[in-house]
Amino acid sequence: SQQGEEDPQALSIQEGENATMNCSYKTSINNLQWYRQNSGRGLVHLILIRSNEREKHSGRLRVTLDTSKKSSSLLITASRAADTASYFCARIQGAQKLVFGQGTRLTINP
Amino acid sequence: ETGVTQTPRHLVMGMTNKKSLKCEQHLGHNAMYWYKQSAKKPLELMFVYNFKEQTENNSVPSRFSPECPNSSHLFLHLHTLQPEDSALYLCASSRTVDEQFFGPGTRLTVL
Repeated sequence: SQQGEEDPQALSIQEGENATMNCSYKTSINNLQWYRQNSGRGLVHLILIRSNEREKHSGRLRVTLDTSKKSSSLLITASRAADTASYFCARIQGAQKLVFGQGTRLTINP
Repeated sequence: ETGVTQTPRHLVMGMTNKKSLKCEQHLGHNAMYWYKQSAKKPLELMFVYNFKEQTENNSVPSRFSPECPNSSHLFLHLHTLQPEDSALYLCASSRTVDEQFFGPGTRLTVL
């Protein structure tokens, strides 16, 4: 598959814990993006990391990128109930096509 | 709110019906997209419009017919759909492909 693969497919943790999701891909990239989707809703762009970056932070989010391993990870620190959602990595294919992975379904238990 | 609206939010239609989905953005974006999200499948890109011109058709069956009259509006006309077309249809817009803004989606059920 040319799409990214997220791992794990589902993750359930207690509120306050950290959540880590991984994404692997097969072709070279210029950047990798992460999106969040609340149940049955549209996706929201979280963060973009460029191929020359190794780590990027945005609030409680930390994204890493290892181009040699063709993988990225998204870390959410001090999780909250509101973080319950599906998280997708996405990469650009061609000029305008954004290809999404299968997603990780994250559940934060109170 | 992302600035991208979609109507209707829910739609139930028979296989012989004709219906249309509407997407609207006033973010000044030049690109608009239709995606299909089925249960247990990755988000699938259907169409891309750039400055009102279709630049991508991801081998979508002809029973789905997109229309982009201007850079702010995008339609998806539906006719003679199949039950397997039931899904969440998402519209998105962007200025660049780096960050897309998604609408809330239309939950379509084909009976």
